[in-house]
Amino acid sequence: DIQMTQSPSSLSASVGDRVTITCRASQSISSCLNWYQQKPGKAPKLLIYAASNFQSGVPSRFSGTGSGTDFTLTISSLQPEDFATYYCQQTFTSPFTFGPGTKVDIK
Amino acid sequence: QVQLVQSGSELKKPGASVKVSCRASGYIFSTYAMNWVRQAPGQGLEYMGWINTNTGNPTYAQGFTGRFVFSLDTSVSTAYLQIDSLEAEDTAVYYCARSTVVREVAHFGYWGQGTLVTVSS
Repeated sequence: DIQMTQSPSSLSASVGDRVTITCRASQSISSCLNWYQQKPGKAPKLLIYAASNFQSGVPSRFSGTGSGTDFTLTISSLQPEDFATYYCQQTFTSPFTFGPGTKVDIK
Repeated sequence: QVQLVQSGSELKKPGASVKVSCRASGYIFSTYAMNWVRQAPGQGLEYMGWINTNTGNPTYAQGFTGRFVFSLDTSVSTAYLQIDSLEAEDTAVYYCARSTVVREVAHFGYWGQGTLVTVSS
């Protein structure tokens, strides 16, 4: 199975900060990488698919880059509603493994 | 609009079985695969596997073989997750999620609201 890692595991940031989360795959996954946001008690929400494509309705402050094994999710200017946990997921090959998550909280 | 509506919370004793449902609406059920994801309390997302809604063929991730069964009732556009011989470690929220494939890359754009299964004596 492909293993996914994320860094950092958590971070504290202020409204307006630029935030970058990194995801790494244990082998090349081309661009088969998705990013989800999850708030407490809620289902995950798709933000970015295929490494860099916006899901409909997602604010443009979210962006994704990368291919192969290394990927990043960037929030250009953190907003109060962005405090959540973020997960990457590879869909290059089943099982479609998730990263362990990055919790973004308020500094 | 696409909706996935899951059945309500369950409290079960160890050794019992549970069947979680995921009713789909707003699209043709058999044209998109259905996935299952587990989230234990305070933990991350764990991919359990998927079921081909056209053929009914399930695929299970490692660690979810044997006691876990994915099934369908296409007449009511519903996917099911059954867990047998429940253990305390099965306590979790279980999500169904619909796959969409764009340019050969799958993603999960639609999720059910989650079903909490609690296993306790």
